[in-house]
Amino acid sequence: GQSLEQPSEVTAVEGAIVQINCTYQTSGFYGLSWYQQHDGGAPTFLSYNALDGLEETGRFSSFLSRSDSYGYLLLQELQMKDSASYFCAVRSFSGGYNKLIFGAGTRLAVHP
Amino acid sequence: NAGVTQTPKFQVLKTGQSMTLQCAQDMNHNSMYWYRQDPGMGLRLIYYSASEGTTDKGEVPNGYNVSRLNKREFSLRLESAAPSQTSVYFCASSEAENYEQYFGPGTRLTVT
Repeated sequence: GQSLEQPSEVTAVEGAIVQINCTYQTSGFYGLSWYQQHDGGAPTFLSYNALDGLEETGRFSSFLSRSDSYGYLLLQELQMKDSASYFCAVRSFSGGYNKLIFGAGTRLAVHP
Repeated sequence: NAGVTQTPKFQVLKTGQSMTLQCAQDMNHNSMYWYRQDPGMGLRLIYYSASEGTTDKGEVPNGYNVSRLNKREFSLRLESAAPSQTSVYFCASSEAENYEQYFGPGTRLTVT
């Protein structure tokens, strides 16, 4: 089957660095995406990793290790506005079609 | 550019009633998707349309039907609503199948 695991909650203080891990099990893996969702809002795309290594976009970085079926999202210089849920999503081909499977999400709380 | 728009924003239905959720995008994207999100959970794919004229079932299609009216519009119909369909419904679109997806603001549906 297909599954993704990520921590349900993470807490950090303003200015700190936090890492949100995601492990996945899937067939036909294409890549790993990260989405951010504020309470009551819509998910917004943060990053996509198709190849091993680190991708950096401003304060956010995303890492992928295909051999370990593992990735993480790294948030630096945390701000209060980063308090949100973060979802990893695997892009894969299975069951006859391309699909994006989402994890259950990690709720990040940033405190002063 | 409005991006992805959804109507209505909120809806309350009685068990057995039917309704159609509307979605439109103005980004000239080929692929469109319908997801549901239940409290504390990730997004689950209901149906998707890889391109105009095609639709396919996702992870949880039972109780739903879709229509890809044209390249811009993708509607989701509940023929006979059930309390288990109480959820937040998101429409999304992407240029390439399952690459970066852009989400609408969501429809919060309650079935009593």
